[in-house]
Amino acid sequence: AQSVTQLDSQVPVFEEAPVELRCNYSSSVSVYLFWYVQYPNQGLQLLLKYLSGSTLVESINGFEAEFNKSQTSFHLRKPSVHISDTAEYFCAVSGGSNYKLTFGKGTLLTVNP
Amino acid sequence: DTGVSQNPRHKITKRGQNVTFRCDPISEHNRLYWYRQTLGQGPEFLTYFQNEAQLEKSRLLSDRFSAERPKGSFSTLEIQRTEQGDSAMYLCASSRMNTGELFFGEGSRLTVL
Repeated sequence: AQSVTQLDSQVPVFEEAPVELRCNYSSSVSVYLFWYVQYPNQGLQLLLKYLSGSTLVESINGFEAEFNKSQTSFHLRKPSVHISDTAEYFCAVSGGSNYKLTFGKGTLLTVNP
Repeated sequence: DTGVSQNPRHKITKRGQNVTFRCDPISEHNRLYWYRQTLGQGPEFLTYFQNEAQLEKSRLLSDRFSAERPKGSFSTLEIQRTEQGDSAMYLCASSRMNTGELFFGEGSRLTVL
């Protein structure tokens, strides 16, 4: 079985500041790791994923995450946030042949002007 | 790809009534997943299909819940004798086999009065 812990339920930051959203996971098998973003009243959109290969993965809108196997972490970072980044961010893990995702409880990122 | 489509987007019903949600996955996606999301929580896995076969059901899926995917294309999730605790967003996702990447629909929000 897998589990995901998102250490911060809310992260308020000012525009253009850096941000880190923390995610730790536990699993007894090899895992795939994901970050999804959810805007109000919308479904989940994939932000980035780690399946294999390079442990540093990047999204098209400037987010990056690093898979750290020894610390079982997959923290999400962005060097400079925009107002439009305000949303709920979910870390998720999958493992095993069914590829079902186990999600964390989410982190609400609020970017203030 | 036209994306995962869910209907209805919103449903308000009285306690004790039955409701049915429909999910149309991305064409040629073999796998289809149902999740439930309540306020302040991450999505929780309910069940998944590989083609028309329902391969796993969560303990969250009580006897009042039933899901089908009769022809391996669209899926329905029916809730019988709804209770106030069933109020949630019901999310559908689909994926190709063995990719580990799920594509989510916009969700169907259920409110039970």
